[in-house]
Amino acid sequence: EAQVTQNPRYLITVTGKKLTVTCSQNMNHEYMSWYRQDPGLGLRQIYYSMNVEVTDKGDVPEGYKVSRKEKRNFPLILESPSPNQTSLYFCASSLGGRRDYGYTFGSGTRLTVV
Amino acid sequence: AQKVTQAQTEISVVEKEDVTLDCVYETRDTTYYLFWYKQPPSGELVFLIRRNSFDEQNEISGRYSWNFQKSTSSFNFTITASQVVDSAVYFCALTTVNYGGSQGNLIFGKGTKLSVKP
Repeated sequence: EAQVTQNPRYLITVTGKKLTVTCSQNMNHEYMSWYRQDPGLGLRQIYYSMNVEVTDKGDVPEGYKVSRKEKRNFPLILESPSPNQTSLYFCASSLGGRRDYGYTFGSGTRLTVV
Repeated sequence: AQKVTQAQTEISVVEKEDVTLDCVYETRDTTYYLFWYKQPPSGELVFLIRRNSFDEQNEISGRYSWNFQKSTSSFNFTITASQVVDSAVYFCALTTVNYGGSQGNLIFGKGTKLSVKP
């Protein structure tokens, strides 16, 4: 089944403890992206990647890191999480280029930083 | 710059009423795609529709219909005979396509929370 898999689905952590949220897609998509969703603010883009080893900042990149060493994986790293990073996170992928302009989303990761 | 505005923060209706969710977008690109997503209380994003900028035909899918009007930069979503299961947050989104054919990023509106009461 074509899908974007995020792990974990739920995570409670403490301030300052490094964490990684994984994202993997099995569709050979070139484009991948991370969003965070907060009440009243909708979904805002954190980082995106147009292809392997190509990443760029979205609208709210502060406090996050990403890497794209292989096409299928696009982990989101919080080096020193803070309570203001408590949010619902979504990973998305798309074929990219001129072939398709649809997006597939993961099921979301609900992160709480205490 | 691209922008999507969903002016209705929350809407509450009684079951069987019709409801329209508004979406207004801004872009200078001539080629773009518009989307609607549904987010039920369980939290996942459910894709509803994608529309490209060259296709202004309205679309109907069961109780759902979409009205795309480039003249007003709007892509409104109507649910006919609403049901309790329609209760969710609905997002409108936009992605543009550059001259090289590569897509831009997906930009979301802030969402409209729809509550359908029995």
